[in-house]
Amino acid sequence: EAGVVQSPRYKIIEKKQPVAFWCNPISGHNTLYWYRQNLGQGPELLIRYENEEAVDDSQLPKDRFSAERLKGVDSTLKIQPAELGDSAVYLCASSLGLGVGSEQYFGPGTRLTVT
Amino acid sequence: AQSVTQLDSQVPVFEEAPVELRCNYSSSVSVYLFWYVQYPNQGLQLLLKYLSGSTLVESINGFEAEFNKSQTSFHLRKPSVHISDTAEYFCAVSNQGAQKLVFGQGTRLTINP
Repeated sequence: EAGVVQSPRYKIIEKKQPVAFWCNPISGHNTLYWYRQNLGQGPELLIRYENEEAVDDSQLPKDRFSAERLKGVDSTLKIQPAELGDSAVYLCASSLGLGVGSEQYFGPGTRLTVT
Repeated sequence: AQSVTQLDSQVPVFEEAPVELRCNYSSSVSVYLFWYVQYPNQGLQLLLKYLSGSTLVESINGFEAEFNKSQTSFHLRKPSVHISDTAEYFCAVSNQGAQKLVFGQGTRLTINP
């Protein structure tokens, strides 16, 4: 069974440019998460989807970040415009969402460098 | 709100030696606790979790962690490490009734031959 797929794996852009990350969760997983992991830190949740509904986006900087999960399957996270401080690894995870303690499966992440 | 503190950013040990990775959490409500492992160039994987019941939980590769409510700790231990255990280990907490994980800063475990 394929795991969580993310692309691209690496992205280098100049500040003020837009960037988008794509995530395809494990088949059948209703819950999808986007995390940001800064260097030397643990992941921090940006947004959580239950099917196509964003149920927790309190940590998403909405002035420049946006996300969508059309049809409740794959998802895209966008930054426009990017800033130097956005350099980080962006992780996508999915789970069956069967209740608390449901295991989250993580993708390999997209390493973003903003110059 | 919950928070997690991993007291050691790096832990070097020799192969076959025991290791303990420390994790303390802060929460005003009951929690679930997790340890995730990230091998080089791979995504995070769940190592073990405490939801309820026995306070000692084990993984399939010899790690164990003990939930200590009075000390608000969930330390990870292994009696004898192997080179293949080289990885970064993250402790995480979730509020019971929620699906939001709060992670610690991570501990990099380095095994020396």
